[in-house]
Amino acid sequence: DAGVIQSPRHEVTEMGQEVTLRCKPISGHDYLFWYRQTMMRGLELLIYFNNNVPIDDSGMPEDRFSAKMPNASFSTLKIQPSEPRDSAVYFCASSSQGNAEAFFGQGTRLTVV
Amino acid sequence: KNEVEQSPQNLTAQEGEFITINCSYSVGISALHWLQQHPGGGIVSLFMLSSGKKKHGRLIATINIQEKHSSLHITASHPRDSAVYICAVRSNSPKLVFGQGTRLTINP
Repeated sequence: DAGVIQSPRHEVTEMGQEVTLRCKPISGHDYLFWYRQTMMRGLELLIYFNNNVPIDDSGMPEDRFSAKMPNASFSTLKIQPSEPRDSAVYFCASSSQGNAEAFFGQGTRLTVV
Repeated sequence: KNEVEQSPQNLTAQEGEFITINCSYSVGISALHWLQQHPGGGIVSLFMLSSGKKKHGRLIATINIQEKHSSLHITASHPRDSAVYICAVRSNSPKLVFGQGTRLTINP
């Protein structure tokens, strides 16, 4: 398997624009996680899915953030409208079970100007 | 106070030195993870442990559940070990709570 695949790797956008980050988990993994990494706050969980169903979205900063998982092989994280404080690296990870090792994607570096 | 504290925050050593990175946590956990992140790169899981000790090559991870403490050791360190090492804990859900990371630099 190619591992967890995220796209794009880098995204630069203007404030107010919509941003969509994409993730393809490892085939057969039932759990998918979205994390955000900033210098100030480190790594934080935004939301996670089990069998395509959102289980815990308490880490989603505000209504501007939304995440979907329409099927077992694809998830999106959308920010609308984007703001400069959303600039961060966003990681997607997947695992076979909730208590198993998580495999991370390469991340998407988002810059909002 | 953060639930997961790592020390030191930054560590610089010479090639060949024995390295220890510490992680303390304040909550009950079901597992502790050690992760590695190279500059500009993704995150790789090194270890997942809930008791005792695990070894992989030159890396050793230990955990003391009673003391709520874990250590990551690197023997015969090499410049390619330079990275950020992150400790993360999991309680009764799949959610990971992360430490702030330890930036390790190994000079040749």
